Amino acid sequence: AQKITQTQPGMFVQEKEAVTLDCTYDTSDPSYGLFWYKQPSSGEMIFLIYQGSYDQQNATEGRYSLNFQKARKSANLVISASQLGDSAMYFCAMRGSYNQGGKLIFGQGTELSVKP
Amino acid sequence: EPEVTQTPSHQVTQMGQEVILRCVPISNHLYFYWYRQILGQKVEFLVSFYNNEISEKSEIFDDQFSVERPDGSNFTLKIRSTKLEDSAMYFCASKLTNTEAFFGQGTRLTVV
Repeated sequence: AQKITQTQPGMFVQEKEAVTLDCTYDTSDPSYGLFWYKQPSSGEMIFLIYQGSYDQQNATEGRYSLNFQKARKSANLVISASQLGDSAMYFCAMRGSYNQGGKLIFGQGTELSVKP
Repeated sequence: EPEVTQTPSHQVTQMGQEVILRCVPISNHLYFYWYRQILGQKVEFLVSFYNNEISEKSEIFDDQFSVERPDGSNFTLKIRSTKLEDSAMYFCASKLTNTEAFFGQGTRLTVV
């Protein structure tokens, strides 16, 4: 069975500093995808970044990067130069084998608070 | 920029009533999903839909739930007889192929 674990229920970071949100996963599928979504207090789910299991390079999207360590089964999100608007809930998710319909399995989330 | 649209944003219903949650996925997308998020908890998969049929469903998606794509643009989730524990945020999502899923803004369902 596939599983995503986020062990940090809450994190604080000072504005303009970098922060790492942890995510570990478990799957027996050789091919999978890892995603991070942001959920602000307004409730919508905003896609941030994607890493494929066969990608050689760590994914980057602007201030977001994904520290992918396949052997450790971790896919940590790094946010550089935090902004007040980054305060939100962050979910790590995994998509397993494509023939399963491509559903996402989510972790419990990490609530990030950026302090001025 | 194309987006997934869900209506209504908030629905209050009496226990035992039927509700229909509506979604308009991104127009050229092929895969459609419903997820739910009970307040303060993680997002849970309900059902995936491809090629006009359910491709996968979770154990949450029992006989009280059904999905339809009646006209090629709308994608609906029906709950036949709502229970208190159905109160949650329901998200519709769609994707093209092996890409990221785009989520709607959610419908908050409150069963009283």
